[in-house]
Amino acid sequence: GQNIDQPTEMTATEGAIVQINCTYQTSGFNGLFWYQQHAGEAPTFLSYNVLDGLEEKGRFSSFLSRSKGYSYLLLKELQMKDSASYLCAVVDSNYQLIWGAGTKLIIKP
Amino acid sequence: DTAVSQTPKYLVTQMGNDKSIKCEQNLGHDTMYWYKQDSKKFLKIMFSYNNKELIINETVPNRFSPKSPDKAHLNLHINSLELGDSAVYFCASSQGGQGTGANVLTFGAGSRLTVL
Repeated sequence: GQNIDQPTEMTATEGAIVQINCTYQTSGFNGLFWYQQHAGEAPTFLSYNVLDGLEEKGRFSSFLSRSKGYSYLLLKELQMKDSASYLCAVVDSNYQLIWGAGTKLIIKP
Repeated sequence: DTAVSQTPKYLVTQMGNDKSIKCEQNLGHDTMYWYKQDSKKFLKIMFSYNNKELIINETVPNRFSPKSPDKAHLNLHINSLELGDSAVYFCASSQGGQGTGANVLTFGAGSRLTVL
């Protein structure tokens, strides 16, 4: 079967750096998305990786290793507003999106 | 202007009732979706329409019936509601089919359905 694994919950301190990991086992791979979802709100797009390496976008970066079936989302200079769930989603060989359950990130002052 | 709007935001109803959730997008996207997010926060696709044509119909009970009068609208009708239907339902849209290349999904704010 297809599987996306992320930690359920993480806690970090304002101003610090946090890395949220995602490992996947899917039938084929055609890209990986990260979305942010604040409580009670819609998911919003953060990043897309299809080639190995690091994609940087302001305070957020996303890394992909296809050979390891692994990605991470790196958040720098954490702010209270970064408290949210972070969803990893993989595009499989049929171009279907397979979603992880998300990682709830709690930021403490 | 709201890109993907869905109504109602909250819906509380009794078991056995029939209800509808409406969705509209003003992004000019070709594809629209309905997702269900359960208490464990997994997002599961239910339906996908491309230019009013059904292209994905995951294994959902036939009590759920989507209707797309035009490519900007995708409504979800649910018959004979059951307790297990309680969830947040998200409408979304994208320029192409889901997952093709870097096509990003734009989600509506969600409709929280509670079946008593």
